[in-house]
Amino acid sequence: KAGVTQTPRYLIKTRGQQVTLSCSPISGHRSVSWYQQTPGQGLQFLFEYFSETQRNKGNFPGRFSGRQFSNSRSEMNVSTLELGDSALYLCASSLRTGEGNTIYFGEGSWLTVV
Amino acid sequence: SQQGEEDPQALSIQEGENATMNCSYKTSINNLQWYRQNSGRGLVHLILIRSNEREKHSGRLRVTLDTSKKSSSLLITASRAADTASYFCATDGTTDSWGKLQFGAGTQVVVTP
Repeated sequence: KAGVTQTPRYLIKTRGQQVTLSCSPISGHRSVSWYQQTPGQGLQFLFEYFSETQRNKGNFPGRFSGRQFSNSRSEMNVSTLELGDSALYLCASSLRTGEGNTIYFGEGSWLTVV
Repeated sequence: SQQGEEDPQALSIQEGENATMNCSYKTSINNLQWYRQNSGRGLVHLILIRSNEREKHSGRLRVTLDTSKKSSSLLITASRAADTASYFCATDGTTDSWGKLQFGAGTQVVVTP
């Protein structure tokens, strides 16, 4: 069974540009969540989608957005990039069926903003 | 903001020794999960312990949970060089926030041959 797949793995963008990151969850998983990891702030929750609906949102500005498609694949978008957006962006998926909700992560997308 | 703290922040041991790290959290939880992260890579799920469980084992891993103290510990027995990584605990709270994990700052473990 394939794991959580994220693309691209590495990318470099210029300040002011926008970026779209993609995530394919484990087959059968309907919950997809996104996290940002930086040396200063650690791992922080961005948002979670379940059945194409955003269920939870972290404390990030509106420049960060996401969506989920009917096949559970998800994308996140960051507009008007800032230097501080440089980070490892991690996608995770789960069945979201109740107790013991194991959450699996992908390898991440490394974003560098110059 | 982060849910809790991990202790110690860094741990250096030799192969064959045991490694113990602790995690404390602030609010009530449904589950607590431990993850490993090798440098520059994604998070690898190690073990999940539910709020009504006190101890769980998986191979060389032993996890305990004390909800009265809001703390958990991860023990890696007979460590190997391949165990060198950062270890994170993560909690989820109410049913409405199942997919929303709150992470500690992590413990960096170095295992020398």
